[in-house]
Amino acid sequence: GENVEQHPSTLSVQEGDSAVIKCTYSDSASNYFPWYKQELGKGPQLIIDIRSNVGEKKDQRIAVTLNKTAKHFSLHITETQPEDSAVYFCAATDSWGKLQFGAGTQVVVTP
Amino acid sequence: GAVVSQHPSWVICKSGTSVKIECRSLDFQATTMFWYRQFPKQSLMLMATSNEGSKATYEQGVEKDKFLINHASLTLSTLTVTSAHPEDSSFYICSARDYRTNSGNTIYFGEGSWLTVV
Repeated sequence: GENVEQHPSTLSVQEGDSAVIKCTYSDSASNYFPWYKQELGKGPQLIIDIRSNVGEKKDQRIAVTLNKTAKHFSLHITETQPEDSAVYFCAATDSWGKLQFGAGTQVVVTP
Repeated sequence: GAVVSQHPSWVICKSGTSVKIECRSLDFQATTMFWYRQFPKQSLMLMATSNEGSKATYEQGVEKDKFLINHASLTLSTLTVTSAHPEDSSFYICSARDYRTNSGNTIYFGEGSWLTVV
């Protein structure tokens, strides 16, 4: 089955700097890779996603890149702000169409 | 993005009682919904896939008689925790798959429901 690994587990950045979170997946048949932001006590919020026919996608300060050959994808947050502090999860769909999640990255943006 | 609503957002119940959590897709029809459980500082653990008009499929190790799932309409799935025990206390989150053309196979999550069994 699909196995998703996510690094780092914690990430502390200065406000204004960039944050990068990396994930790898094992199932070459996976074709959908969403990223979710989860604030304390709340459900995950979809912030960006990418499909296997695209290599990069950007939405304002957030971008995601996908390397299908290497089976890894990354989330890039530029010009970080304190409100970006949260836990971020990457995910990949398995052959059943179910999401398999990474372990999460706690991002702390310090003013 | 699409909206998925969960209710209640938090609930306290006594051991031995049952509690129902609702998950609604507010602006789209969802033939498939998912139920997750999340422990503090951990990732989401998929419990079951809820399919409209048919039986839910449960992940390995999840008791189907303990966690009853009903998906009777295209916008509503319910999770009932039966004979609740303190170890069932957790954060339960649902998600729904949006098949509409402009969203493709996107999955949106509800806000989650905190269950505390005393």
